[in-house]
Amino acid sequence: GAGVSQTPSNKVTEKGKYVELRCDPISGHTALYWYRQSLGQGPEFLIYFQGTGAADDSGLPNDRFFAVRPEGSVSTLKIQRTERGDSAVYLCASTLAPGANEQFFGPGTRLTVL
Amino acid sequence: TQLLEQSPQFLSIQEGENLTVYCNSSSVFSSLQWYRQEPGEGPVLLVTVVTGGEVKKLKRLTFQFGDARKDSSLHITAAQPGDTGLYLCAGGSFDSWGKLQFGAGTQVVVTP
Repeated sequence: GAGVSQTPSNKVTEKGKYVELRCDPISGHTALYWYRQSLGQGPEFLIYFQGTGAADDSGLPNDRFFAVRPEGSVSTLKIQRTERGDSAVYLCASTLAPGANEQFFGPGTRLTVL
Repeated sequence: TQLLEQSPQFLSIQEGENLTVYCNSSSVFSSLQWYRQEPGEGPVLLVTVVTGGEVKKLKRLTFQFGDARKDSSLHITAAQPGDTGLYLCAGGSFDSWGKLQFGAGTQVVVTP
């Protein structure tokens, strides 16, 4: 009965390193979304999954960003060769079905790239 | 770049006062949602409006969707300290189910 969980809650890394951010959606939710929220801004859409497949990845900023959801549940957002501009809070959300009214958000992972 | 412009960016009022937050865009949206976000947490949905001209009331909160489905407003009556938070509007896309475009948010602070 838990909500969306994200790990780690905080991640500090050095420029050029690789990071993985994990999202556990609400059980039974088929759609999963990733957003990025920079300081003073609203969440910015990155990608969403319907089941195991990426239904819309138009928000991924470049090819350093990649996300997977191999079993249609947990998702991992992967960032290669991190840059200082990648520092932000990465939010994950899930819904029972795509287009369902309410997206349930996790608390986010705060990524800091030094 | 945010497609949805929210105003004001920051609002500080005393308990018992009323406030209105605006969300404007040049784009038409399939739906418009309002979320509230508190520090260290993800946004939480307050309401979804889908029909142009629609007005929804939830206790002390009144939400309005513009006739042309490009703008919305959130009005809070007799604000309370518990209303403090970042209010975000988000527009739904016609061509991508579930994809939301968020505004930058309005930070509301209600002091006792």
